[in-house]
Amino acid sequence: GDSVTQMEGPVTLSEEAFLTINCTYTATGYPSLFWYVQYPGEGLQLLLKATKADDKGSNKGFEATYRKETTSFHLEKGSVQVSDSAVYFCALSDRGSGGYNKLIFGAGTRLAVHP
Amino acid sequence: DGGITQSPKYLFRKEGQNVTLSCEQNLNHDAMYWYRQDPGQGLRLIYYSQIVNDFQKGDIAEGYSVSREKKESFPLTVTSAQKNPTAFYLCASSSRTGENEQFFGPGTRLTVL
Repeated sequence: GDSVTQMEGPVTLSEEAFLTINCTYTATGYPSLFWYVQYPGEGLQLLLKATKADDKGSNKGFEATYRKETTSFHLEKGSVQVSDSAVYFCALSDRGSGGYNKLIFGAGTRLAVHP
Repeated sequence: DGGITQSPKYLFRKEGQNVTLSCEQNLNHDAMYWYRQDPGQGLRLIYYSQIVNDFQKGDIAEGYSVSREKKESFPLTVTSAQKNPTAFYLCASSSRTGENEQFFGPGTRLTVL
């Protein structure tokens, strides 16, 4: 079945460092890909998305490119801030029968940014 | 403002008691979902509903029940049959058209004493 694999955390960086969080997926169809962010004690917020191969999603300085050839959707940011400390989830969505879009999540990667 | 609300934020329950978690959305979304999150883990789907008066089991439905009597509301009942109910519960909704993204509520943390 479909699955998402993320790099294990925690990832610990100093402020202004470059961030990469790896995400690879397995899917039988042509899924949409998402990155969600979860701040402590809160729900998930959509960070960015890409719906087809070679699309680049971007938001708040974060970017990820949908790479079909490597089945990857790695999250990057050029200069992280302390406020970026959170858990990041990679997810894929494959629209099933009747229009139901099941989201499959990776295990999440905790990012800690220090001043 | 459109969004999803969940209540309460924290909930404590004694063993053997049923408890109901509330989820309301004003996004006019047809589909709604319940997920369970355990520490250090991803989200697991409990139940989902694509339309009013219809719902399906997700990956871990045992010990849970839901209803969908109104488009805006999708309450989750954690029954005494759920062996390990202490977790963070997240409700989400999505449009049946569009690009498949789901919008999440702030979550309810359930602790069984």
